[in-house]
Parts: sequence; C-alpha cells; structure tokens
Amino acid sequence: DTAVSQTPKYLVTQMGNDKSIKCEQNLGHDTMYWYKQDSKKFLKIMFSYNNKELIINETVPNRFSPKSPDKAHLNLHINSLELGDSAVYFCASSQVGGWTEAFFGQGTRLTVV
Amino acid sequence: GQQVMQIPQYQHVQEGEDFTTYCNSSTTLSNIQWYKQRPGGHPVFLIQLVKSGEVKKQKRLTFQFGEAKKNSSLHITATQTTDVGTYFCAGLGEETSGSRLTFGEGTQLTVNP
Repeated sequence: DTAVSQTPKYLVTQMGNDKSIKCEQNLGHDTMYWYKQDSKKFLKIMFSYNNKELIINETVPNRFSPKSPDKAHLNLHINSLELGDSAVYFCASSQVGGWTEAFFGQGTRLTVV
Repeated sequence: GQQVMQIPQYQHVQEGEDFTTYCNSSTTLSNIQWYKQRPGGHPVFLIQLVKSGEVKKQKRLTFQFGEAKKNSSLHITATQTTDVGTYFCAGLGEETSGSRLTFGEGTQLTVNP
C-alpha cells in the first residue's frame, strides 16, 4: 500500500481550465501539506492542514483552493489555470507537523499549455 | 520570515570523491531534517537532527547540526552513482508554527562514473 498517494501523476491542460489534484494518506497522520516544486527544484509550501483545519496558507493566488474532507484527504483545486502554474505539485503528510518526518506523494506534473 | 539557505546549488563530482552540502538558517531551529530526491522522484526523508552539535551517521553519510542550531551539513564519503539526486535540508524554526517546515533550495548532485 502506498503511504501517500496523489492523482493524477501527469496533468496537461489548457490555460483557463479548472483542474483538481487528489491526495490520500493511509498513515493516520494529523498534518497534510501541499508543496509546489518549480523547474529549479525549489520546494515551496503552499498549504498545511492539521486535523482538517487550515494551518498554513502561504502567499498563493486565490485561484488555488485546498479542501480537506477528512484527516486522510487533502485535495487541491486550481481555477483559471495559467502558464506559470506549470510545476510539480507534491502532497505530503507527517504525524506531528514539522516535528516529525514528512512522507511525500509521487507528485503531479502539471503542464499548462 | 524564516529563511533557509543551502549551498552549493549544483555539485558535480567524480565517483569516489567526497561531497558536502551546507544549510544555514536565518533563525534558530528546533530541528533540521534532510531529504533526498532522486531524478524524477519525490523527496524521501533521510534523518532528523534535534540537539545542538549533534552528529549522526548513516553508512557513508554524515549529518551535523551546528552548536547554535542555525546551520547543518551533510557529507557523503566516496560518492557512488547511486548518490545522484537533489539533497534538501528543511528546518523548523523555534519561533514559527509547528507545521512550518522551511526547505532549503536544495543541492543537485551529479556523479560521473
């Protein structure tokens, strides 16, 4: 069983479209994250949830909206996609925030054309 | 806000040479974690350091946490082609939210056989 799974793995879409990325963890962790990794490999935190509550909301365009229906799921919805949104998006989870190791999903490579 | 700087950004070595990446934080850290990301893969946790001056070893990898808990290093002895990837440090600031793990920019290591 994959600990943190996200779908889809690849996403190619046109500018202006709306898309969602789903993430699920089966580790029983309390904290979940979304990270964006650009072409230079920089990993930037976008959102963090703890027990379904939004804890961290970095300076991210409000076209990005996370949703956590339960502790095991954290989805990312993106409206009106732009070329600059092209990146790899990683979901991750940890038992106790930054105090414990983070487990990353396989990543979703989003390409906006 | 807290910043974590990592150098060098790129490192090319011949197989058998040693490699070191350095991480510096603008603020005192509660802990520091290290991750490895293979090309095309996702970040995978290597280790966590918590105590001032702590040194931990994993086979050919040696991790250090500075006395002031503001810097850290990862040293690989006698690199192998399997060491190829990007190495990230990630720090949890003492004054920041427990969920805010800040990643360094990463060091991309290539090993020539």
